[in-house]
Amino acid sequence: QVQLQESGPGLVKPSGTLSLTCAVSGGSINDRGWWSWVRQPPGKGLEWLGEISPSGTANYKPSLTSRVTISIDKSKNHLFLNLRSVTAADTAVYYCVRGGWSKFDTWGQGTLVAVSS
Amino acid sequence: QSALTQPPSASGSPGQSVTISCTGTSSDVGGYNYVSWYQQHPGKAPKLMIYEVSKRPSGVPDRFSGSKSDNTASLTVSGLQPEDEADYYCSSYAGSNNGVFGGGTKLTVL
Repeated sequence: QVQLQESGPGLVKPSGTLSLTCAVSGGSINDRGWWSWVRQPPGKGLEWLGEISPSGTANYKPSLTSRVTISIDKSKNHLFLNLRSVTAADTAVYYCVRGGWSKFDTWGQGTLVAVSS
Repeated sequence: QSALTQPPSASGSPGQSVTISCTGTSSDVGGYNYVSWYQQHPGKAPKLMIYEVSKRPSGVPDRFSGSKSDNTASLTVSGLQPEDEADYYCSSYAGSNNGVFGGGTKLTVL
């Protein structure tokens, strides 16, 4: 079965860029229609950041469109997240997720990213 | 897009049934049959429990069921078990390649 593993720096400075990688194993990015990033601030609820299709079409949460970019590398079976101009409000556990709004059916274990100087 | 409204908490005794509501608008819950429910235990990733309002992924016990009426979706857990104690989140497609999650409900098994 497919597994997702997020990786990246656990600490990012304010105004910097948060960059995460999601490695997909046990399946291919081409197998599904959408792949998403979802985050969860400590003690709070889930927030969808955006999604990307195997063809590279991306959709983003409207309030984050100016700061977020999601991309894929099908040759490596990897998914990427870039979030620019971060503040403390971007501190969260970031999840790589297989699926879109019809269903988010497989989640990575998540990675905690703190924004602090 | 405002978050879907869920009660902060719900509870029930083992063996009982509990229903968690998820209220949106005609632009999200009421407008599409793309409502999902997720279970999250502390420190763990969310797990898909219900999708497209009432469908259960393989491996999810049939004690979990979903429904929708107008702008409100519901998750019912029947025959509550101790391992059902967790946070539950609903989500809905809201059109224009966008969607929204609920604020979450903490389910306590008494």
